Amino acid sequence: EPEVTQTPSHQVTQMGQEVILRCVPISNHLYFYWYRQILGQKVEFLVSFYNNEISEKSEIFDDQFSVERPDGSNFTLKIRSTKLEDSAMYFCASRTGGPQHFGDGTRLSIL
Amino acid sequence: RKEVEQDPGPFNVPEGATVAFNCTYSNSASQSFFWYRQDCRKEPKLLMSVYSSGNEDGRFTAQLNRASQYISLLIRDSKLSDSATYLCVGNRDDKIIFGKGTRLHILP
Repeated sequence: EPEVTQTPSHQVTQMGQEVILRCVPISNHLYFYWYRQILGQKVEFLVSFYNNEISEKSEIFDDQFSVERPDGSNFTLKIRSTKLEDSAMYFCASRTGGPQHFGDGTRLSIL
Repeated sequence: RKEVEQDPGPFNVPEGATVAFNCTYSNSASQSFFWYRQDCRKEPKLLMSVYSSGNEDGRFTAQLNRASQYISLLIRDSKLSDSATYLCVGNRDDKIIFGKGTRLHILP
């Protein structure tokens, strides 16, 4: 069964540094998403992306966040200047017409 | 009302029993609905979509009540492997809203 893949599985970064989280959505999917889950809390929507542009974003997705689909397969989330409170699990998801399928996440730890 | 609201549990249920969860939603998360399960420190995995007419998949039954704005999940003949957090998910346009989840522990 095709899967959404995410790399790295764990990223440790100093506060203030930039970080890029990478995702390879399922190949025929057209809609892409990023979520985060702070330890012990609920999954929170960050952004959705379709047709090479952001279609929805939450209030969490401020100017320090950006997304890009640099080629036909990757979908990236960039956090420009990381803060301690950015420490969380980040999930990528994709879909085409139906429910979303999630990658197994990147654990981001900000020191 | 919060966009998607669930009883956090935990529900401690003996193996073989039937267990039901409810979830309420607001108008901002009201176009389509899903149940996901999430194991500890893992990604959410789709359990089933929820259709207006109700739908069943093996031991799992989902119901939608638009008038009262709630959805439900029924698990029959529960198994140890059903222990997980069950996430109620609603969406409107392309904004997806998760509930906080209901923790289920199946006891041997």
